[in-house]
Amino acid sequence: GAVVSQHPSWVICKSGTSVKIECRSLDFQATTMFWYRQFPKQSLMLMATSNEGSKATYEQGVEKDKFLINHASLTLSTLTVTSAHPEDSSFYICSGIAGGSTDTQYFGPGTRLTVL
Amino acid sequence: GDSVTQMEGPVTLSEEACLTINCTYTATGYPSLFWYVQYPGEGLQLLLKATKADDKGSNKGFEATYRKETTSFHLEKGSVQVSDSAVYFCALGSFGNEKLTFGTGTRLTIIP
Repeated sequence: GAVVSQHPSWVICKSGTSVKIECRSLDFQATTMFWYRQFPKQSLMLMATSNEGSKATYEQGVEKDKFLINHASLTLSTLTVTSAHPEDSSFYICSGIAGGSTDTQYFGPGTRLTVL
Repeated sequence: GDSVTQMEGPVTLSEEACLTINCTYTATGYPSLFWYVQYPGEGLQLLLKATKADDKGSNKGFEATYRKETTSFHLEKGSVQVSDSAVYFCALGSFGNEKLTFGTGTRLTIIP
């Protein structure tokens, strides 16, 4: 199946700093990418949907100025957590949909962010 | 809004035991239903899906039937293996299936 990678797999940062997480589709072109957030023992919560070359669509309650999403190419999307705080500590997961397919999302392995 | 309620884990079974992981949903319209599996260190993978009522999805010995009358999509396997140890997520898809709503996940451990 299609492969999605995320980098880094885990990151620890100080409060107030910004962190960038990369999501890459390795063997397909992802016209649409999704970013999810997962808290311990809770479900994945969709944060935003991004289409290549356009602005991301954020879910209700997600601060777009805090979680900056860029989908500059068909194989790369980035999530930047700006001015991170301890409450932003979480597991962030991305997924992508191949062009022409609307029912199969390919997921990355996730990035664990810990803000001290 | 849409929601998925999934059996809480963790679930520990012996090899060759029967498995059922319960999943019920609330949704407007006619969603598609999915089971995803996440093996250690890997991303979520689609295990099976069903797109309309009474459809049965199946893969790798797992199956689930879309029951509209009970709004359920329970995952079943007749004889589990150690390699089935993973976290299983029930999900529903709406708006052309691009937006997925997930359950909390159930961690399954199979012991030899």
